[in-house]
Amino acid sequence: SYVLTQPPSVSVAPGKTASIPCGGVNVGTKSVHWYQERPGQAPILVIFYDSDRPAGIPERFSGSNSGNTATLTISRVEAGDEADYYCQVWDRSSNHVVFGGGTKLTVL
Amino acid sequence: EVQLVESGGGLVKPGGSLRLSCAASGFTFSNYNFHWVRQAPGKGLEWVSSIRTDPKNVDYADSLKGRVTISRDNTNNLVYLQLNSLRAEDTAMYYCARESGGSRGPLGYWGQGSLVTVSS
Repeated sequence: SYVLTQPPSVSVAPGKTASIPCGGVNVGTKSVHWYQERPGQAPILVIFYDSDRPAGIPERFSGSNSGNTATLTISRVEAGDEADYYCQVWDRSSNHVVFGGGTKLTVL
Repeated sequence: EVQLVESGGGLVKPGGSLRLSCAASGFTFSNYNFHWVRQAPGKGLEWVSSIRTDPKNVDYADSLKGRVTISRDNTNNLVYLQLNSLRAEDTAMYYCARESGGSRGPLGYWGQGSLVTVSS
């Protein structure tokens, strides 16, 4: 089955840029969605179809996807961005939804 | 406003069964696909099952296949997840989520979850 790989943790200072990678074989040929999960809260969609932003998500959140890596980028990081972030694709071969293992973003 | 509200979770003994419900409102229920996603304590998100607008079109994660059944009630705007032969490792928060943006699109809306604890 298809596997998405994320680093367990990423740290960034306030005001800097955080990049969270999501690796998968030829993931650039798939549509990648990203979710933010704050402690004690349900996940929310922050990026869909690689780089689109839902209404209400700040422009500081952006996404890209090429080759074997998709990336969520958060510019001008704020303390409130501290959360777990998950990438997700649909695996056509199995018809299953696949999540990455998640990355904990720590704001220093 | 789109709302998804899960219910039916609780404490169940190993080998027991549970049926989770997801009550949906704020949109035309029959037009959308739904998913169940779970999260064990301290772990990541794990997709469990999906059901399309055609209720016969369902899929299950390999780890739960044979022990779980998803269904929907388009009259009462409900999605169900029947969990059988429960094990300790099924202990998790179970979320109901609705697709948005077309078939096999992102999970644009999530409920607050229903906690299932499997313990003797």
